[in-house]
Amino acid sequence: EADIYQTPRYLVIGTGKKITLECSQTMGHDKMYWYQQDPGMELHLIHYSYGVNSTEKGDLSSESTVSRIRTEHFPLTLESARPSHTSQYLCASSEYGLGGGYTFGSGTRLTVV
Amino acid sequence: SQQGEEDPQALSIQEGENATMNCSYKTSINNLQWYRQNSGRGLVHLILIRSNEREKHSGRLRVTLDTSKKSSSLLITASRAADTASYFCAAGMDSNYQLIWGAGTKLIIKP
Repeated sequence: EADIYQTPRYLVIGTGKKITLECSQTMGHDKMYWYQQDPGMELHLIHYSYGVNSTEKGDLSSESTVSRIRTEHFPLTLESARPSHTSQYLCASSEYGLGGGYTFGSGTRLTVV
Repeated sequence: SQQGEEDPQALSIQEGENATMNCSYKTSINNLQWYRQNSGRGLVHLILIRSNEREKHSGRLRVTLDTSKKSSSLLITASRAADTASYFCAAGMDSNYQLIWGAGTKLIIKP
């Protein structure tokens, strides 16, 4: 079944640790996105990709990095986690640039202690 | 920067009543989309209306779009407890593939 998967679902980690949030989709979508969302609040775009070897930063300043080596895989890495990174991280993909909706993963809830 | 606004921020109604949520945006758009988010989960795409359309239906959902007023509304008829969620509008712009998101309306359906 075509879908988008995020792991882990929950993560509690100490300050200064390096972490990678995984996102994979089986739909062959070219466009993928990472959003940060605090509970009950709006979504903030932190990274996006329009295809393999294409990555851009979004509107929200972020200390994270992304890579897009394969169409289906779009991991997000925090080199040194801080308590201010505590949030929910949502991955999404889309097929049509302007004509279709986004498909979202279930999210990773990150807590940095 | 976020350019979408939603109204109301929260809405609580009885099961069986209709729920209406409004969204306004500031820029020229190609389409307007609505999403639902259950607590702590990802978003689910509900419906998309294009800039040359005025009204669209999907099951119990009815969406309208007024490009002259830069606004859209989502109507959920005959609400059910399972409709309890946050609802977000997102504007698809002409210039790129990104969406501009509203802050969401938290809908609570009381049994």
